[in-house]
Amino acid sequence: GDSVTQMEGPVTLSEEAFLTINCTYTATGYPSLFWYVQYPGEGLQLLLKATKADDKGSNKGFEATYRKETTSFHLEKGSVQVSDSAVYFCALSDRTGGFKTIFGAGTRLFVKA
Amino acid sequence: KAGVTQTPRYLIKTRGQQVTLSCSPISGHRSVSWYQQTPGQGLQFLFEYFSETQRNKGNFPGRFSGRQFSNSRSEMNVSTLELGDSALYLCASSDRQNTEAFFGQGTRLTVV
Repeated sequence: GDSVTQMEGPVTLSEEAFLTINCTYTATGYPSLFWYVQYPGEGLQLLLKATKADDKGSNKGFEATYRKETTSFHLEKGSVQVSDSAVYFCALSDRTGGFKTIFGAGTRLFVKA
Repeated sequence: KAGVTQTPRYLIKTRGQQVTLSCSPISGHRSVSWYQQTPGQGLQFLFEYFSETQRNKGNFPGRFSGRQFSNSRSEMNVSTLELGDSALYLCASSDRQNTEAFFGQGTRLTVV
C-alpha cells in the first residue's frame, strides 16, 4: 500500500542554518504531496503542498519539489528561526477509494538561538 | 470561516469504559477523517466518512467506530477502553479529494 518515509529526528540546528528534511513516498497512483507542521499542544497545519510532478510548494520560506523520478518531496528552508521549532510531517493523499492521507512518522526540529 | 472543532479537548477515562469524541468540520466540508497520534506509533488513520458513509477504514479493532451525521458532524466511539488507547485523537475535514486536510486541535484521551 501507499507509504511515506521521512528522516528520523530530532534535528537540532542553530538559528539561520539551512534545513533539509528528507521524504520519500510509495504510491500506486498519482498522489498529492504535503508537508504539515505541528506546534506543541496543537493539531496539524498545512505548510505547503504539490499536486503533480515537478510542482514546487512554498510557504513561509519553506520549499519542497514533487520529484516523481525519485519519489521524493524533501523540505528545505534557507535560514531557520527559533519559531520554526516543531514537528514536521510529510504526507500524501491518494484519490483511490476515497479521501485518506498517509503520514510519515514526523521529524522533530529544534532550533537554538 | 470557523475551523475544525473537536470536543472535548481533554478527557480522562477508566479502563473498560467507553468514550465518544465529537468533530465539527469546516462549513461545506463533507469529508471527515479521524487519526490517532501516539509517541510510539505516530499518526495512524482510523477512518474517513463522506456524506454519512464510511469510505475508508484503517487497521484498528472493532472497538473503534464512528459515524457522520447529515450536517457532516462526526463522532468516534471507543468501547472497552484499554491503557494503550491513550492518545491524541485528531479529526480533519476536506472539501474534495486530493486536497489538503484541515485539522482540529485534537482530543487528548488519557485512560487510567
